[in-house]
Amino acid sequence: AQTVTQSQPEMSVQEAETVTLSCTYDTSESDYYLFWYKQPPSRQMILVIRQEAYKQQNATENRFSVNFQKAAKSFSLKISDSQLGDAAMYFCAFQYSGGGADGLTFGKGTHLIIQP
Amino acid sequence: DAGITQSPRYKITETGRQVTLMCHQTWSHSYMFWYRQDLGHGLRLIYYSAAADITDKGEVPDGYVVSRSKTENFPLTLESATRSQTSVYFCASSEGASFSNEQFFGPGTRLTVL
Repeated sequence: AQTVTQSQPEMSVQEAETVTLSCTYDTSESDYYLFWYKQPPSRQMILVIRQEAYKQQNATENRFSVNFQKAAKSFSLKISDSQLGDAAMYFCAFQYSGGGADGLTFGKGTHLIIQP
Repeated sequence: DAGITQSPRYKITETGRQVTLMCHQTWSHSYMFWYRQDLGHGLRLIYYSAAADITDKGEVPDGYVVSRSKTENFPLTLESATRSQTSVYFCASSEGASFSNEQFFGPGTRLTVL
């Protein structure tokens, strides 16, 4: 079974600055997907960015980018030019790509605070 | 409305009672999932379904029952609710189980068991 660890329960950043959220995972599989989800106070789960393990190129989505280090089993999220609307819980998630209906395995989350 | 909906949004019940949480999606997605979210645990998979009449256990299935007689509905039943089942429950669906098939989440149901 895989595990996902987010070692930062809470992070704080000044508006317009850059922040990096950490995520490590443990798996014996070689093919898998990694995700970052955002959960604002509304509770809605919103997909931020995703990465395929076989791709060496790091995924980017506007102000959001990842640093994927497969050998180190690390998948950090960088948010550039932080905005007040980025304040939320952020969850790192793993999904096995071996077929079937495997659900997501989530980390415990990082609470991101944006200081105005 | 199109999308994935859950009902009720809030539910208070007592220990020992049966409770059913509803999940409905309008996309005809093949895959559906139930997660629970507890403080300090993130989201954990309870059950999932690959198609109508096909269901399987996730990480924390004990005390829960699911069914899927129709593609669009995936109800979750707590046969005899316990206080440890107080949680926020999320339903999700996806077109498939691969990378390109994003899981779309419902708004969640907050369940309190007294």
